Amino acid sequence: EAQVTQNPRYLITVTGKKLTVTCSQNMNHEYMSWYRQDPGLGLRQIYYSMNVEVTDKGDVPEGYKVSRKEKRNFPLILESPSPNQTSLYFCASSLFSGWDRANTEAFFGQGTRLTVV
Amino acid sequence: GNSVTQMEGPVTLSEEAFLTINCTYTATGYPSLFWYVQYPGEGLQLLLKATKADDKGSNKGFEATYRKETTSFHLEKGSVQVSDSAVYFCARTSGSRLTFGEGTQLTVNP
Repeated sequence: EAQVTQNPRYLITVTGKKLTVTCSQNMNHEYMSWYRQDPGLGLRQIYYSMNVEVTDKGDVPEGYKVSRKEKRNFPLILESPSPNQTSLYFCASSLFSGWDRANTEAFFGQGTRLTVV
Repeated sequence: GNSVTQMEGPVTLSEEAFLTINCTYTATGYPSLFWYVQYPGEGLQLLLKATKADDKGSNKGFEATYRKETTSFHLEKGSVQVSDSAVYFCARTSGSRLTFGEGTQLTVNP
């Protein structure tokens, strides 16, 4: 089954304790991205990756890191989490970022609800 | 910058009512436009898309037409069902990226 898998689904952590949220896709997609979802703000892009070893900042990259060493994986790293990073996080992938093409769509994981206390 | 503005929610309708959720976008470039739907506890799923002016996207009874003159992409459905209860997001392309609106919560009551 084609899917984007995030882990963990739920995480409560303390301020300053490094954490990683994993994201894996089995569709051989080139493009992967991380978003955070907050009430009244919709989805805001954190980082995206056009291909292996190619990453770029989105709208809200501060406090986050990413890496793309393999095509299928795109982990999100919080080196020193703070309470303002409490949010619902989504990973997404797409065959490529040519959104005009007929069969291009973004596939989303089920989300990771992170609470930083 | 490139942005998307959706009508404020939440929206509550009775079953079989007509639905409109407004979406407008900033008129920069020639974006593709999308509606995504998020059911409770799940990630977003593509509902429909339109890639150029006057295109109409449609799926599951939902429709939206790309209106360049009004920079709009309003979502409509003639007769909603309880199972349509979800959060709906309008989105546009910004180069290689997708920019989402704030989301509109729809609740359909029996």
